[in-house]
Amino acid sequence: EAQVTQNPRYLITVTGKKLTVTCSQNMNHEYMSWYRQDPGLGLRQIYYSMNVEVTDKGDVPEGYKVSRKEKRNFPLILESPSPNQTSLYFCASSLRRVGTSGSNEQFFGPGTRLTVL
Amino acid sequence: GNSVTQMEGPVTLSEEAFLTINCTYTATGYPSLFWYVQYPGEGLQLLLKATKADDKGSNKGFEATYRKETTSFHLEKGSVQVSDSAVYFCALSDNAGNMLTFGGGTRLMVKP
Repeated sequence: EAQVTQNPRYLITVTGKKLTVTCSQNMNHEYMSWYRQDPGLGLRQIYYSMNVEVTDKGDVPEGYKVSRKEKRNFPLILESPSPNQTSLYFCASSLRRVGTSGSNEQFFGPGTRLTVL
Repeated sequence: GNSVTQMEGPVTLSEEAFLTINCTYTATGYPSLFWYVQYPGEGLQLLLKATKADDKGSNKGFEATYRKETTSFHLEKGSVQVSDSAVYFCALSDNAGNMLTFGGGTRLMVKP
């Protein structure tokens, strides 16, 4: 089954304790992205990657890191989490960049609800 | 920068009513426009899209027309069902197609 998986689905942690949220897709997609969803703000893009070893900042990259060593994986790293990073996080992937014509539909993972105390 | 503005919800309708969810945008150049839907407890799913002015995207009875003169991409459906209850997000891509900018989302509740 074609899908985007995220782990963990729920996480409660404390300020300053490094954490990683994993994201994996099995569709051989080139483009992957991380978003955070907050009430009233919709989804905001954190980082995106157009291919292996190619990553770039989105609208709200502060406090986050990513890596793209393999095509299928795109982990999100919080080196020193703070309470303002409490949010619902989504990973997404698409065959090509989102604004291109043709098959550019983004497939979203189920989300990771993170609480930083 | 780019931005997307959606009408605030929740929008509450009776089954078979007509639906409009307004979406306007600010962007340079010629962005692509999207509507995504999020059902409870799930990630977002692409509902429809339009890539150039005057294009109409449609899917599952929903429609939206890319209006460059009014910078709008309103979502419409002629007869909603209870199963359409969800949160709807309008979004646009930047010119390079690298990033999506989302609106704040509109919750739709359809009552039997």
